Amino acid sequence: KAGVTQTPRYLIKTRGQQVTLSCSPISGHRSVSWYQQTPGQGLQFLFEYFSETQRNKGNFPGRFSGRQFSNSRSEMNVSTLELGDSALYLCASSLGGTATGETQYFGPGTRLLVL
Amino acid sequence: GEDVEQSLFLSVREGDSSVINCTYTDSSSTYLYWYKQEPGAGLQLLTYIFSNMDMKQDQRLTVLLNKKDKHLSLRIADTQTGDSAIYFCAENRVSSGSARQLTFGSGTQLTVLP
Repeated sequence: KAGVTQTPRYLIKTRGQQVTLSCSPISGHRSVSWYQQTPGQGLQFLFEYFSETQRNKGNFPGRFSGRQFSNSRSEMNVSTLELGDSALYLCASSLGGTATGETQYFGPGTRLLVL
Repeated sequence: GEDVEQSLFLSVREGDSSVINCTYTDSSSTYLYWYKQEPGAGLQLLTYIFSNMDMKQDQRLTVLLNKKDKHLSLRIADTQTGDSAIYFCAENRVSSGSARQLTFGSGTQLTVLP
């Protein structure tokens, strides 16, 4: 079974631009969660989607948004990029999501650099 | 406190045992996890333990859970150079209502010396 895939793997943007990251979960998984990893703040939860509905959201500004499609693929969007948005963005998929405690499988991440 | 706490660094000799400790925050967390991250890679689930268990063994890995102290540990037996990585503990903490989210510690950098 193929693992979680994320595209693109690397991205360079400038301040003020917007960016869209994509995540394809493991086949059959209906939950996708997104995390931001930075050296200063560590791993922080962004949001979780299950069956096209946002189930939970972390403490991030409204510039961070996401969606999930009927095939469970998910995208996250960051508008009006700031330097502090430079990070590794990880997505994880699971069958039922964090509420059930099921194992989350992580993708390799998208490394975003904002100049 | 609000943060899942881990010590930042651990160095061991090849062949020795490593013990990585973690203090989590939410007594209602139902699952506790250990993830491994190698340079430039995503997170790899190593093992997890359900909150009603005290111990779980999986080959070279032993997880101990002390619910009273909210303390979790990961022991790696016969540590190898390939075990050098950052290890994260995580809990599925209640965030709002009945929703839960994975909350991670800051990670422990394990260095295995030959």
